[in-house]
Amino acid sequence: SAVISQKPSRDICQRGTSLTIQCQVDSQVTMMFWYRQQPGQSLTLIATANQGSEATYESGFVIDKFPISRPNLTFSTLTVSNMSPEDSSIYLCSVEASYGYTFGSGTRLTVV
Amino acid sequence: AQSVTQLDSQVPVFEEAPVELRCNYSSSVSVYLFWYVQYPNQGLQLLLKYLSGSTLVKGINGFEAEFNKSQTSFHLRKPSVHISDTAEYFCAVRANTGNQFYFGTGTSLTVIP
Repeated sequence: SAVISQKPSRDICQRGTSLTIQCQVDSQVTMMFWYRQQPGQSLTLIATANQGSEATYESGFVIDKFPISRPNLTFSTLTVSNMSPEDSSIYLCSVEASYGYTFGSGTRLTVV
Repeated sequence: AQSVTQLDSQVPVFEEAPVELRCNYSSSVSVYLFWYVQYPNQGLQLLLKYLSGSTLVKGINGFEAEFNKSQTSFHLRKPSVHISDTAEYFCAVRANTGNQFYFGTGTSLTVIP
């Protein structure tokens, strides 16, 4: 199955700044998914990123806050913009593999 | 749409004892079912999945789950747990058409020496 490299693994950021998270897959995939896991909670899908088109955002998430790039079939970035402490979460990218999802190891973001 | 309910938020169990983590789902269409494990400070790892066929599914690390369509359940079991099984466990469901996953809120399994 696909192997995902996600970075950074963790970061501490000042409020008002932005952080870009990178996700690299070792094989070509049509769709990549970005999830958020807030402290003590389950995963919530932020958006689905297809190569060559705009990302599709779930209810409650907007492009201005979470812009996504998908320049090719093996790479995607998620930016968390104008951060506030409420954005402190683990952010994970994932791809479909054999009817399941393979997940990156996550980016643990703390906003101070 | 689908939804997942994990009935226990925390499950403490003594080492070498059996454990069952409960998961119920709702869906108007046929679904695929999954269990993921998240070890401390790590990402998610697929434990097992049910797509079709035998309702008893065996996964990694000695875990197994049974799909019960009439009860809309997919409980995870292990006959004898180890300290290393301490982790967060997530049940997830996906319609057999489409790509969206729905995750439960997770069950924190703590194995006590």
